[in-house]
Amino acid sequence: GESVGLHLPTLSVQEGDNSIINCAYSNSASDYFIWYKQESGKGPQFIIDIRSNMDKRQGQRVTVLLNKTVKHLSLQIAATQPGDSAVYFCAETGNNDMRFGAGTRLTVKP
Amino acid sequence: ETGVTQTPRHLVMGMTNKKSLKCEQHLGHNAMYWYKQSAKKPLELMFVYNFKEQTENNSVPSRFSPECPNSSHLFLHLHTLQPEDSALYLCASSQDRVTDTQYFGPGTRLTVL
Repeated sequence: GESVGLHLPTLSVQEGDNSIINCAYSNSASDYFIWYKQESGKGPQFIIDIRSNMDKRQGQRVTVLLNKTVKHLSLQIAATQPGDSAVYFCAETGNNDMRFGAGTRLTVKP
Repeated sequence: ETGVTQTPRHLVMGMTNKKSLKCEQHLGHNAMYWYKQSAKKPLELMFVYNFKEQTENNSVPSRFSPECPNSSHLFLHLHTLQPEDSALYLCASSQDRVTDTQYFGPGTRLTVL
């Protein structure tokens, strides 16, 4: 998984499988978290968010899980499709700023 | 489409050129941002504007000069850039604060020769 500010890991999955992308954050005061998807040649696109008073939030085929105890955030994508291939990065907000991770590159094999 | 547009999408310039990047948001937001995105690095916040006023400048070199004539438009004026300034420059906007959800434009891919 990724840590905010560090390397760019990769994840390769078979079409139809579920994907899990991880993010570790360091600021225990962070209270709002966002996942973005960035396809090649495009800007980051909002996927889903979660506030610190929640542990789980579901969208269409995506679920975000927040574990405040270990400062860990994950994005689960169900039935991954080729169109899901992109870089996914998390963002955390707190102390009046927003910090972004470097991202995880997801590749979906047909 | 996110409601944030950027032009041009690609720009190649020499180190002595002067060029400008333009961003426009159609979301009715009050805050706008410039970010630099380099390969395998997190987004680097450059400038923040809130209600047309610059509220943050993250130690950006003076060869980058922002301008925000109104809440919907943001410019980044470039002059005497260096090759290491080559990157994807992203504009974003949010409702009011930097901690609100930010919506990004497609970016300008800048190459400095």
